[in-house]
Parts: sequence; structure tokens; C-alpha cells
Amino acid sequence: GAVVSQHPSRVICKSGTSVKIECRSLDFQATTMFWYRQFPKQSLMLMATSNEGSKATYEQGVEKDKFLINHASLTLSTLTVTSAHPEDSSFYICSASLAGAGGGNEQFFGPGTRLTVL
Amino acid sequence: GEDVEQSLFLSVREGDSSVINCTYTDSSSTYLYWYKQEPGAGLQLLTYIFSNMDMKQDQRLTVLLNKKDKHLSLRIADTQTGDSAIYFCAEKKGGGNKLTFGTGTQLKVEL
Repeated sequence: GAVVSQHPSRVICKSGTSVKIECRSLDFQATTMFWYRQFPKQSLMLMATSNEGSKATYEQGVEKDKFLINHASLTLSTLTVTSAHPEDSSFYICSASLAGAGGGNEQFFGPGTRLTVL
Repeated sequence: GEDVEQSLFLSVREGDSSVINCTYTDSSSTYLYWYKQEPGAGLQLLTYIFSNMDMKQDQRLTVLLNKKDKHLSLRIADTQTGDSAIYFCAEKKGGGNKLTFGTGTQLKVEL
């Protein structure tokens, strides 16, 4: 099946630093990747939709200058949390959409990245 | 509104059936999904149903959709301890790929 990986799985950083999270589709090409954040015991909130070769579309309330998204190839999207602060600590999950797929099961989720900002 | 709501918690005994419920508000949903999330992990797609279907069965899983009432349920037969996890329903609208997730139901299976 379609596999999506994320790296790193866990990261701890100091306040004010930037952190980059990678999302890769391992065995398929993904025209669209999605970035979500999940706070403890809460649901997933969509942050942005990333299309290969174009600018990401951010959801309302998500700061595009703080959460930089790059989707340079059909298998890789990155999320950079700039000038991280403790309130950015969360579980970040990406998903990838199979290019040209139809039907209901197009999104495949990565295992998530736990970010802790001290 | 676009809220997708679920009850927060469900506890069942091993071997019993579990029924997890979900209500949504947008009648334009095209597909509805059930995902499973184990602690510290990403989401695993369990099953999905197209909006013109009433029921879908896949091994131990049965999905029921009442489009009139905007109600979706997931029944897990012969629930096992390995089924303990958080279950999210999600809806997809129109031709896009954007998903709106429910609030999640924590299923606890007791011996």
C-alpha cells in the first residue's frame, strides 16, 4: 500500500529556534500533501494544503510566515516552524494524496512528529 | 456549520460489539471515513463509505450511514484489546481532498 514517512519522529528544541519536519511519500507520487496539528486529546486541525510546485494554501488563522511549507517534488513536502515557542508544541501529522486517484481513500497519513519547544 | 461531533469515550468488554457514533452537519459530504489512531502514532484508515450508500461491511467492521439524519456509525464486532485506540470520523466534501475530522472517540476494551 501507499506509505508516508515523517522525519523526525520526535524533536525537542529551544524557544526561538526553527525546526524542519519532512514528509515523504515512499512508493507513490503525491500531487497534494496536507499538514495537520493535533493537540493532546484533541482532533486533527488542518493547517495547510501543499501542492507540488506551487504555494501552499493555509487555513484561516494559520500564520504562513511562521509555518513555512515547501513542496519541491512529488514525494517530499517540508514544514518549517520558524522561531518556535512553547505554544507551538504539538503533534504534527502530514498526509499525502495519490496523484490521479479517485474514490474515497486518497489520503495516506504519516506517523506524526512530536514537537516539544522548551 | 461544519462541526463533526463524536462522543468522547466508550468502554466495552472484550468480545462484545462496539458502536462508535458520529454526527455531521454538511449534507454535501461525498465520502465519510473512519480512522484509528493508536497512542503517539498517525492515522490508519479503517474504512470509508460513499454518501449514496447506506451500509458497508468489511470483516469485523460495519459502517452505517443515515444521510437524512447526518449520522454515521462504526460497529466493531468481537472487540479485542488491540482495538483500544482513538477513532475519528471524517468527511470529505465536493471534489476536493480536504477532510474535516470529528472530535475523536477513545475506545477502551476491558478484559
